[in-house]
Formats: sequence, C-alpha cells, structure tokens
Amino acid sequence: AQKITQTQPGMFVQEKEAVTLDCTYDTSDQSYGLFWYKQPSSGEMIFLIYQGSYDEQNATEGRYSLNFQKARKSANLVISASQLGDSAMYFCAMKAGNNRKLIWGLGTSLAVNP
Amino acid sequence: EPEVTQTPSHQVTQMGQEVILRCVPISNHLYFYWYRQILGQKVEFLVSFYNNEISEKSEIFDDQFSVERPDGSNFTLKIRSTKLEDSAMYFCASSVRVSLTSAKNIQYFGAGTRLSVL
Repeated sequence: AQKITQTQPGMFVQEKEAVTLDCTYDTSDQSYGLFWYKQPSSGEMIFLIYQGSYDEQNATEGRYSLNFQKARKSANLVISASQLGDSAMYFCAMKAGNNRKLIWGLGTSLAVNP
Repeated sequence: EPEVTQTPSHQVTQMGQEVILRCVPISNHLYFYWYRQILGQKVEFLVSFYNNEISEKSEIFDDQFSVERPDGSNFTLKIRSTKLEDSAMYFCASSVRVSLTSAKNIQYFGAGTRLSVL
C-alpha cells in the first residue's frame, strides 16, 4: 500500500534557525516522486519542492532542501534560516507508479518564534 | 505568475442542495484535479481529468459527484445532493502534460473553496 507518514504534528523553531520536518513513505513502485507543500493559515496549498526516486542529488529550492534517504524511505524537508512567514502547515505527498494522484501525509504545523 | 483560481472561497449550503465549485486552471495545463481536505484530516484525491474525460477517480467520487470542463477555461465540480459529511475544503489543481510514467507531475493548487453543509 502507498502511504505517507508525518510523525510531527507540531514543531517550533526560532527565527533564523534551521528546522527539519520529517516524512517517511511506503511504496512498492520503483518510480515515484515526493513533493512538499506549504499551507498558510489563509488556506492555499503552495508547492515547495520535488524529489524524484531516480534523482541522484537532493533537491534544493532556495531555503528549502530535501534530505532524501532512499534506503530509509524518508524525504525530510529542511528549511534554513527560518522566517516568521514560514509559520504554516507543511504537507509531504507522493505520486507513485502510473497514478497521477497525490497521496498525502497528515501534515506538520510549524511555528516560527521571533 | 500564473495561478489556479477557485470560486467561491466559501460556500454555505443546505443538506440535499446541489453545489457547483468552480476553478480556472493555469492556461497551458492539460491535467486537472479535485482534492478535498476535511478539517483535521488528510488531503484526499477525488478525481483527475484529461482530454475532456475522467482519467482517474477515487472511491469518494461516487454518483453524487461530477466534473465538467464547460469551456476552454473553467473546470467545475458538482455535488448533486450535498451531505453533512461533504463539508470540507475543496482544492482544484492543474499540471502540465507529462507521460504517465513520469513521477514529476507538479500539481499547482488553487486557494480552495470551503464548503459548509448545514
């Protein structure tokens, strides 16, 4: 079965520090993609970063990077130099096999403290 | 920057009524999706749509639901007879055309429509 697990319901980080949000996944497909989305309190879902199962390097997008450990089936999001505007829900999602749908985790609520 | 637009942002309806949620996907995208997020629960896939037909749907997407692309820009989700348990945030998303085997299918989401069924 395909599944995404996010074990941290809530996280706190001090402004300007780095934070890691955990995501583990389960799939039997060899080809899959992992996605992180941000959902601020206003409700929209914002795409942050993508990692493909065959990508040899960890993905980076500005202050976001993905710590991809294929053997452990984990795809943790690292946010460097946290800003107050980073306070939001963060969702890990997966597309696997021939499906186009995204399978989602429960999310992690991040609060950045000044 | 192109974005997915959803209207209305909030819809309140009585149980048993029909609702239509509207979406304008990004203009050069060819795949369209609806997801829903019940408060405190996971985001759930409802349906994907390509070339004027449903390409994939979940168990949630039963006969009460339908989707349509009535013109070149709009993509709608209709719920024929709403139930209390349909109360959720409904997200529309779109993506460019990718091959079925490609994992890089970045879906861009709208701001959602919060549906409240009373």
